[in-house]
Amino acid sequence: GAGVSQSPSNKVTEKGKDVELRCDPISGHTALYWYRQRLGQGLEFLIYFQGNSAPDKSGLPSDRFSAERTGESVSTLTIQRTQQEDSAVYLCASSLGSGWTEAFFGQGTRLTVV
Amino acid sequence: GDSVTQMEGPVTLSEEAFLTINCTYTATGYPSLFWYVQYPGEGLQLLLKATKADDKGSNKGFEATYRKETTSFHLEKGSVQVSDSAVYFCALPASGGSYIPTFGRGTSLIVHP
Repeated sequence: GAGVSQSPSNKVTEKGKDVELRCDPISGHTALYWYRQRLGQGLEFLIYFQGNSAPDKSGLPSDRFSAERTGESVSTLTIQRTQQEDSAVYLCASSLGSGWTEAFFGQGTRLTVV
Repeated sequence: GDSVTQMEGPVTLSEEAFLTINCTYTATGYPSLFWYVQYPGEGLQLLLKATKADDKGSNKGFEATYRKETTSFHLEKGSVQVSDSAVYFCALPASGGSYIPTFGRGTSLIVHP
């Protein structure tokens, strides 16, 4: 597509429910990143995918968080048993190749856990 | 490891004032340097970049010069507008065996008319 697309834009969920966030990267971009941004804070790295290689999950904060990506296509970030501290904007970025030449970000999904 | 230090915000200015947002970095070698901007309710977008020492990146009236002597990449604009109100992030690319770039904490800019 023309840019990185994330859905939904906003999600309000009850504490304890599971949520699934979607990221559709730019076509041809092999690298995909998920970040969490709490209100007024910087970016917190969550997970990195590069082609068909094993993902770097070192930033996932707990085992309630997981993410998948099939090949170089859509990625989904799943949060199980959501907690109020999970409330944040979740940003996805994609770039050509490994490393970081220029990354393109989606508009983010604002998650609110009530 | 690599790190980026940005000045604390928020930075509050009147329209047409001069802007400087400081960024210093610690890294091995001479990596490319980036500034990203995040407008309210949006994701980050690349504002400008510099790929080698003494390079000046520029875009939308913003400039930043890659200073290897001071390991700095300060963002400047001669005359800010209300529409420049956003959060600005300084960033280093991934290096060594890591694929994870390093972002600064972000500096919020508020421009009043």
